[in-house]
Amino acid sequence: ETGVTQTPRHLVMGMTNKKSLKCEQHLGHNAMYWYKQSAKKPLELMFVYNFKEQTENNSVPSRFSPECPNSSHLFLHLHTLQPEDSALYLCASSQGYGDTEAFFGQGTRLTVV
Amino acid sequence: AQTVTQSQPEMSVQEAETVTLSCTYDTSESDYYLFWYKQPPSRQMILVIRQEAYKQQNATENRFSVNFQKAAKSFSLKISDSQLGDAAMYFCAYRSLDNAGGTSYGKLTFGQGTILTVHP
Repeated sequence: ETGVTQTPRHLVMGMTNKKSLKCEQHLGHNAMYWYKQSAKKPLELMFVYNFKEQTENNSVPSRFSPECPNSSHLFLHLHTLQPEDSALYLCASSQGYGDTEAFFGQGTRLTVV
Repeated sequence: AQTVTQSQPEMSVQEAETVTLSCTYDTSESDYYLFWYKQPPSRQMILVIRQEAYKQQNATENRFSVNFQKAAKSFSLKISDSQLGDAAMYFCAYRSLDNAGGTSYGKLTFGQGTILTVHP
C-alpha cells in the first residue's frame, strides 16, 4: 500500500454514459497525475495538477475532464467515450512537481462498450 | 522531446539466476533522473531503483542494480538471484530536470515495458 487509492478498480461503461474515476492520496503530496496505460504502449501522461492547479494537459480529448478539488483528491470525469479509450488509468502523486519519486495507485481498468 | 525505448517485450529467467533488462533513451539534456518501476499483477507501479545522471556510480538496491552508460544513453537493470515475486512488468522511465524554462521539466516519460517471467 503506497498511500494512493483509486476507485473503482474496474469499470465498464457504454459510450453514452457519464462516469468518474477517483484518486485519493494520504501522503501529503502537492502534485497529482493521471496516466493512461494501453496494451503494448508506454504510459501516457494525461494531466498534471500542482497545488490544485492544472499545470499540464497533454492534448487529451475533451471527453476526459479532470478535477482537483484539493491536494488530496483527483477525479477524472468521463463522458461519451470511445472503445479505444479502454485502458488502465493510473493516478500518481509526488511531494512536488518534478520530485524524484512518484507513488502510484493500483489503477482503474476501464472498458468502453 | 525525450524518448525511452525498451527493446525486449518479454524476458524470462530461472529462479535464482540473473537477468538483465535493457533500456535506452534519447535526450539532449545533461541533468535528469532515470528509474525502473515494477508493475506486478496487482497493477500498482512500484519504484525499484533510481539513478541520478550526474552520478557516475551505478545505483544498487539489494538484488537490483543498474548499468548506467550516460554517453551511450543506456540504462539496464540487473536482477540477481531472481525470485518468483520478481515476476512483473518492468518499466524504464526518464524524468527531466532541465529547469531552463522548457516544458519537459518534471515530466516522467516511460518505455513500453518488459514482461519478466520467473520460472521455478
